[in-house]
Amino acid sequence: QKEVEQNSGPLSVPEGAIASLNCTYSDRGSQSFFWYRQYSGKSPELIMFIYSNGDKEDGRFTAQLNKASQYVSLLIRDSQPSDSATYLCAVNGDNQGGKLIFGQGTELSVKP
Amino acid sequence: DGGITQSPKYLFRKEGQNVTLSCEQNLNHDAMYWYRQDPGQGLRLIYYSQIVNDFQKGDIAEGYSVSREKKESFPLTVTSAQKNPTAFYLCASTILNGGGDTEAFFGQGTRLTVV
Repeated sequence: QKEVEQNSGPLSVPEGAIASLNCTYSDRGSQSFFWYRQYSGKSPELIMFIYSNGDKEDGRFTAQLNKASQYVSLLIRDSQPSDSATYLCAVNGDNQGGKLIFGQGTELSVKP
Repeated sequence: DGGITQSPKYLFRKEGQNVTLSCEQNLNHDAMYWYRQDPGQGLRLIYYSQIVNDFQKGDIAEGYSVSREKKESFPLTVTSAQKNPTAFYLCASTILNGGGDTEAFFGQGTRLTVV
């Protein structure tokens, strides 16, 4: 079992719709969770991080964490064509020895 | 401005040749990482270091070597033992404060091609 798993996609949504990206992780000791966006040929950039169970909102983005079920999700409201990118979930915690582990990424395509 | 600088942006390697990728940060971060990314794939951890003069293997360390002689620098050498080195290489750094808020900052990446 991979430590961090994401659906590879591609996920296609129409402009203005809600895009839902999911991530599961295997280590129950994980403490912090990150969502990165990566445009083709570029390095990842941080969108959001979350540490506590529940929802965290930042503009059009909402991160949701459920530690009991070991999943973290990212919702993008009012999706725009500029949101088209690969979204990477990353997990860090004591049980990973301080290392940051990434999922394989989900490719999102927002159609005008 | 603080940040992470990787060089070169593009690198070509001949068969059987060792090459070194540079990564320098001025963020005063404790931990540094090297990741490899293949087309359409996520980031796979090669090596990481949490303190000067110490580093640990990641998931795909074979054929790679690193050093951490200074806090600011974490160079990666791709040796001739790495049979399929063509990939996008990303260096990252994080603070280690025990609080879990270890956001990673990335360099702009080095694209390595075997010719």
